Amino acid sequence: RKEVEQDPGPFNVPEGATVAFNCTYSNSASQSFFWYRQDCRKEPKLLMSVYSSGNEDGRFTAQLNRASQYISLLIRDSKLSDSATYLCVVNVPTSGTYKYIFGTGTRLKVLA
Amino acid sequence: GAVVSQHPSRVICKSGTSVKIECRSLDFQATTMFWYRQFPKQSLMLMATSNEGSKATYEQGVEKDKFLINHASLTLSTLTVTSAHPEDSSFYICSALSAYEQYFGPGTRLTVT
Repeated sequence: RKEVEQDPGPFNVPEGATVAFNCTYSNSASQSFFWYRQDCRKEPKLLMSVYSSGNEDGRFTAQLNRASQYISLLIRDSKLSDSATYLCVVNVPTSGTYKYIFGTGTRLKVLA
Repeated sequence: GAVVSQHPSRVICKSGTSVKIECRSLDFQATTMFWYRQFPKQSLMLMATSNEGSKATYEQGVEKDKFLINHASLTLSTLTVTSAHPEDSSFYICSALSAYEQYFGPGTRLTVT
């Protein structure tokens, strides 16, 4: 089983739609979770961290389900500018420290 | 936010030559930096974890003698691709760890001809 898994998509949604992505992780000792956004041929940019109690930033809501070992990202009122690849990142303990593993990314296309 | 630079942004080299990529944290000290590689339409794959003052930790399947990592100071890590081959052509991205957040460099696109 991969350490971090995502549905690659693409998710094609109309403007204004609500869309949700999930990301599963295999290591129950993981402590930190993030969603990144990556535009074509650019470096990833942090969208939001994911906290245990769930957190919201404008149109974006992130949630963590430790029991089932997944995180989710909900985007409300999709904009054309939301079109990008969304990567979940999970820290994985290793040799007394942590490393950060990326999921494969989920492509989102918001259509006019 | 924190800034991480990479140099060069693009490099084209001939097969068999070596290429050095620099990753600098400009406004914070990073004891840990990460090197990733991204092939077209794929996600970022962690290559190695670079720790200041000690040897890098390589991921399974990454040849440490081919991808030399040196983290000589708290603000600089270098990745040298030795004896580059066309299959090494990729987008190489570094990140620096500040507290629990990663800051990414803009990436280096390597093309080996």
